[in-house]
Amino acid sequence: RKEVEQDPGPFNVPEGATVAFNCTYSNSASQSFFWYRQDCRKEPKLLMSVYSSGNEDGRFTAQLNRASQYISLLIRDSKLSDSATYLCVVSPKPYGGSQGNLIFGKGTKLSVKP
Amino acid sequence: GAVVSQHPSWVICKSGTSVKIECRSLDFQATTMFWYRQFPKQSLMLMATSNEGSKATYEQGVEKDKFLINHASLTLSTLTVTSAHPEDSSFYICSARGTGSSGGARDTQYFGPGTRLTVL
Repeated sequence: RKEVEQDPGPFNVPEGATVAFNCTYSNSASQSFFWYRQDCRKEPKLLMSVYSSGNEDGRFTAQLNRASQYISLLIRDSKLSDSATYLCVVSPKPYGGSQGNLIFGKGTKLSVKP
Repeated sequence: GAVVSQHPSWVICKSGTSVKIECRSLDFQATTMFWYRQFPKQSLMLMATSNEGSKATYEQGVEKDKFLINHASLTLSTLTVTSAHPEDSSFYICSARGTGSSGGARDTQYFGPGTRLTVL
């Protein structure tokens, strides 16, 4: 079983749609969780950290359920510029601690169409 | 702040040659840098952790004699793919860990733009 699993995608949605990404992780000892965004042939960039209480940043909402080892990302009112691959990332280190081994999911590709 | 550069951005080489990729933290000092590899439609996979002034720590399955890592200064780490073969063709990405001083949040990884290697 892969350490981090995501929806295979791709997701093709119209502008303005709401999109949900799901992710599960296998290591219950994982301590910190993130969503990264990767544009085609570019490096990944941190989108947001994910906390158990749930957190929101504008149109983006992330949720974490440690009991079921599940992470989600919701994008509301999607824009053309949201088109990218979204990577679920897990770390054995705590937030604010030494960010060592980041474990990446394969990513889910999102295409937002006009 | 917290900019990481890689050079070259892409390289095409013949089988059997060696290729060196540089990773630089431009506006902060990074005692730790990481090297990742990403094959098409696959996850980024950590290859090794590079600590300034000491030997790199390689992940299981990564040949240290094939992927030579040197981290001689606080702003530069290099990855040399020795005797490259077509199966080494991949996207190589480095990241540098911020120190919390000028440039970069402490302990956050900042990624370089990547180097696309094609071995013919």
